[in-house]
Amino acid sequence: QQPVQSPQAVILREGEDAVINCSSSKALYSVHWYRQKHGEAPVFLMILLKGGEQKGHDKISASFNEKKQQSSLYLTASQLSYSGTYFCGTEGGSYIPTFGRGTSLIVHP
Amino acid sequence: DTGVSQNPRHKITKRGQNVTFRCDPISEHNRLYWYRQTLGQGPEFLTYFQNEAQLEKSRLLSDRFSAERPKGSFSTLEIQRTEQGDSAMYLCASSLGVEAFFGQGTRLTVV
Repeated sequence: QQPVQSPQAVILREGEDAVINCSSSKALYSVHWYRQKHGEAPVFLMILLKGGEQKGHDKISASFNEKKQQSSLYLTASQLSYSGTYFCGTEGGSYIPTFGRGTSLIVHP
Repeated sequence: DTGVSQNPRHKITKRGQNVTFRCDPISEHNRLYWYRQTLGQGPEFLTYFQNEAQLEKSRLLSDRFSAERPKGSFSTLEIQRTEQGDSAMYLCASSLGVEAFFGQGTRLTVV
């Protein structure tokens, strides 16, 4: 079953923060986060595994709450390059990520 | 190693024709996935290989779709008797561990 992402779209100014949420109705083993720019392939950002809590690099981090079957992606002090569509992919032990519909992020100067 | 490679990048075909796409995964990646993506949607799972074995197929994959990975390296996805509803971006991804890396995709337009 497809995970649900919220919000559907976010519009920010440079330097502002954003949070994108991903929730699943199924028990999760891992959550994958990708960013896709228009006309390009999804680019892997990070993966959170069952038993882990939070991960991040630079100003993008994510958390994974296994009990709630939810993950959140945090973008801090957003840059223009952060614009794109963010997808979460959830996986319950099958090695096959199922992706949400995406959250469109637009960062303005 | 230059990542996952897909060919062709674009394909325009007439309804009813057959098309075949190729995916070359990152070398030594044993898992290979095919996804389909339409405008405004996330990637939709089609099929999954571990080495040469096709372990999972989506119910979305009708009899007109077939995929192979004969030697556990590159893979092909064939669509027979294409329909306008097949128009989409077809994405291939490969994985060795838990992270999957996508190719640039093949954009199919059925006219």
